Amino acid sequence: KNQVEQSPQSLIILEGKNCTLQCNYTVSPFSNLRWYKQDTGRGPVSLTIMTFSENTKSNGRYTATLDADTKQSSLHITASQLSDSASYICVVWHGILTGGGNKLTFGTGTQLKVEL
Amino acid sequence: KAGVTQTPRYLIKTRGQQVTLSCSPISGHRSVSWYQQTPGQGLQFLFEYFSETQRNKGNFPGRFSGRQFSNSRSEMNVSTLELGDSALYLCASSFSSVLNTEAFFGQGTRLTVV
Repeated sequence: KNQVEQSPQSLIILEGKNCTLQCNYTVSPFSNLRWYKQDTGRGPVSLTIMTFSENTKSNGRYTATLDADTKQSSLHITASQLSDSASYICVVWHGILTGGGNKLTFGTGTQLKVEL
Repeated sequence: KAGVTQTPRYLIKTRGQQVTLSCSPISGHRSVSWYQQTPGQGLQFLFEYFSETQRNKGNFPGRFSGRQFSNSRSEMNVSTLELGDSALYLCASSFSSVLNTEAFFGQGTRLTVV
């Protein structure tokens, strides 16, 4: 069964601290993996897109890693800010990249709260 | 540059009715994809339209359908509404197929079925 599991389910950290969110997937064949940030009441915003051959990708204070062998990805947030409080969702596309019939599986998200 | 626009923002319908939601993509984007978000199931992919053709499809029943017009605007229709269809419906636009390019999401349409 194609699944994307995220951990932890929720996390509370102090402003300025770093944190790492995890994503494990079982989907096949893998096309790409994305991390999204979703603020309450708003649509998701893309943070990174990683293909099979990419191990690390950064977007400001966000750094995503991908290990295609173990089917694991992580999102590291450096020097957290109050505005980082949101749901972080891992998304995996699976299928034949150039054709139709591809599937998209979402993780259930990690709810991050940054406090003073 | 205007973002992705979804209308209406909020909608209340009765079981058995049908509903049509609209999505206007970012200018120049040819792909529009639709998603359902509920507290229990999280985000789920409905389908993607690219150049007026359905390109990719999730695992939703045939009551959920969509179409895309020549100006790339898209509509999603849900027939014979059920209570479980209550959700936030999001659309996203991409320059090329959403499969390999960045997707930009709208604010969503909050549908409540009573």
